[in-house]
Amino acid sequence: EVQLVESGGGLVQPGGSLRLSCAGSGFTFSRYWMSWVRQAPGKGLEWVANIKQDGSQKYYVDSVKGRFTISRDNAKNSLYLQMNSLRAEDTAVYYCARGRFDYSYYFDYWGQGTLVTVSS
Amino acid sequence: EIVLTQSPGTLSLSPGERATLSCRASQSVSSSYLAWYQHKPGQAPRLLIYGASSRATGIPDRFSGSGSGTDFTLTISRLEPEDFAVYYCQQYGNSLTFGGGTKVEIK
Repeated sequence: EVQLVESGGGLVQPGGSLRLSCAGSGFTFSRYWMSWVRQAPGKGLEWVANIKQDGSQKYYVDSVKGRFTISRDNAKNSLYLQMNSLRAEDTAVYYCARGRFDYSYYFDYWGQGTLVTVSS
Repeated sequence: EIVLTQSPGTLSLSPGERATLSCRASQSVSSSYLAWYQHKPGQAPRLLIYGASSRATGIPDRFSGSGSGTDFTLTISRLEPEDFAVYYCQQYGNSLTFGGGTKVEIK
């Protein structure tokens, strides 16, 4: 069974940093693109970042470029999101998702999410 | 950036009724790159449809997707109690975006 479990969320002050982790199991982690998607309170889903199987390609939504860094450790079956210079508008539940970006473009498995709150 | 507009914002229906959800794109979207998700509060989003009309693994056949170009539709033929949720469409063109969602609520 495919499982994705996020951790690392919490309360952080504006301008602060936080590192999210996502542990994958039940599939060969190194064979898949992985992504972060977030949902601000009362809002819809917003894609944040993607990373290729070997980490050689990374893509970000414009609003986080230069502040967030996606990375992965295939030996540990883990995905990460380093978030710096956090703003109030980054407050959201952050989901880890497995990407299917070959002949189509979608997320087939998602984690339960971890809440990030940016507030003083 | 391609903007996806979902309508209606809220759909009030009874179990057993048919639900028709619309997703309209600001520019043409390849059908291969259009997906639908179901999301319930406190749960992980669930993939329903990919490639505009292909059902994901384990998705009941009461869920169907159709459309092309700028107009796409998710149809739930007969609503079950577990189908009341928020539904999102998602596309990939030059960037990846989601629609604003349609909430299907019990009437």
